[in-house]
Amino acid sequence: SQQGEEDPQALSIQEGENATMNCSYKTSINNLQWYRQNSGRGLVHLILIRSNEREKHSGRLRVTLDTSKKSSSLLITASRAADTASYFCATDGASGTYKYIFGTGTRLKVLA
Amino acid sequence: NAGVTQTPKFQVLKTGQSMTLQCAQDMNHNSMYWYRQDPGMGLRLIYYSASEGTTDKGEVPNGYNVSRLNKREFSLRLESAAPSQTSVYFCASRVSRLNTEAFFGQGTRLTVV
Repeated sequence: SQQGEEDPQALSIQEGENATMNCSYKTSINNLQWYRQNSGRGLVHLILIRSNEREKHSGRLRVTLDTSKKSSSLLITASRAADTASYFCATDGASGTYKYIFGTGTRLKVLA
Repeated sequence: NAGVTQTPKFQVLKTGQSMTLQCAQDMNHNSMYWYRQDPGMGLRLIYYSASEGTTDKGEVPNGYNVSRLNKREFSLRLESAAPSQTSVYFCASRVSRLNTEAFFGQGTRLTVV
């Protein structure tokens, strides 16, 4: 089964609103990363947060990590129609494995 | 700088046919990955190669084989295609395991009829 599961599976908001999506994972991690995918194309990296970090910002993105709950959230502020995409979390296990596992994704639709 | 290049972009196979999906990266990355993406399932790891000369099974390796031909190239082979292997396949690479982002190819859309 997949390491990460995103919640919600789909999200529809109005332009200008904030979008929050969550990721839960199963095992200890070294870091957690968020990616974006436009309409079946390849994924593009957004942001990385290390296991010893609790919060990180990049432009309109804010990521939090709670290792005690094995969960992370991605907040997109002041969303735009161009933010419409699928968002995935990905994790590297802390055990030394080279496996790089993705979650199931959240489909975000921003209405103009 | 091309990044990660996958070929072909589209392919239709008959059940039982074989084919090889090619992936090449020009970023001198050590690690390479093959994923499949099905609707509602996210990306599932098929095989990965931590470095040149090594390959390991991922989450869904059955029905596939891989070859890390050299540092640049990582191919995925379907020996006897089945309809259940209809999917979009993505190749990815990254510098190393820790704290580095992955770069993705544009995908291969495979249909097995």
